[in-house]
Amino acid sequence: GDSVTQMEGPVTLSEEAFLTINCTYTATGYPSLFWYVQYPGEGLQLLLKATKADDKGSNKGFEATYRKETTSFHLEKGSVQVSDSAVYFCALGPSGSARQLTFGSGTQLTVLP
Amino acid sequence: EAGVAQSPRYKIIEKRQSVAFWCNPISGHATLYWYQQILGQGPKLLIQFQNNGVVDDSQLPKDRFSAERLKGVDSTLKIQPAKLEDSAVYLCASSSTSGDTQYFGPGTRLTVL
Repeated sequence: GDSVTQMEGPVTLSEEAFLTINCTYTATGYPSLFWYVQYPGEGLQLLLKATKADDKGSNKGFEATYRKETTSFHLEKGSVQVSDSAVYFCALGPSGSARQLTFGSGTQLTVLP
Repeated sequence: EAGVAQSPRYKIIEKRQSVAFWCNPISGHATLYWYQQILGQGPKLLIQFQNNGVVDDSQLPKDRFSAERLKGVDSTLKIQPAKLEDSAVYLCASSSTSGDTQYFGPGTRLTVL
């Protein structure tokens, strides 16, 4: 079945550091890929998404590129802020859809001032 | 636009007791999801409704869990009787007919003692 493997955390960075959180997936066909973020005490929020190979999703300075050849969707940000501290989840869904999402285990990011 | 509402936010019960969670999706969203998120793991889909019909309940432990969405709007998830391993955050999400994005509520944190 479909699965998502995320870089294990926790990850601790200093403010303005470069962030990469690795995500790889196993799926049949051409899934849609997502990054969700969960701030303390809140529900999951969609951060960005990509629905086909080579698409780049971006939002709030975060980016991720759908790489079918490596089955990856790594999350990057050039300069993190303290307010980026949260848990980040990679997820996949059926082609062109966010239904029936399969989530990775999440990566806790802490950014220190 | 109001988001997905859930109540209660926190619940503590003893094993073998019963508990119910309530979810009100975003107005007009036909699809509603319940997820279980165990500490340190990603959300796992329990059940998906399309209007008031069940689309997928393959991962719902039907011997103790039940869910309904009688009028195609609000939904309740019930556990009876609860076990220690049911301690988790229960997330509700909804999406429109296009299904391209799921919107999550803040969740209900259940502790079973």
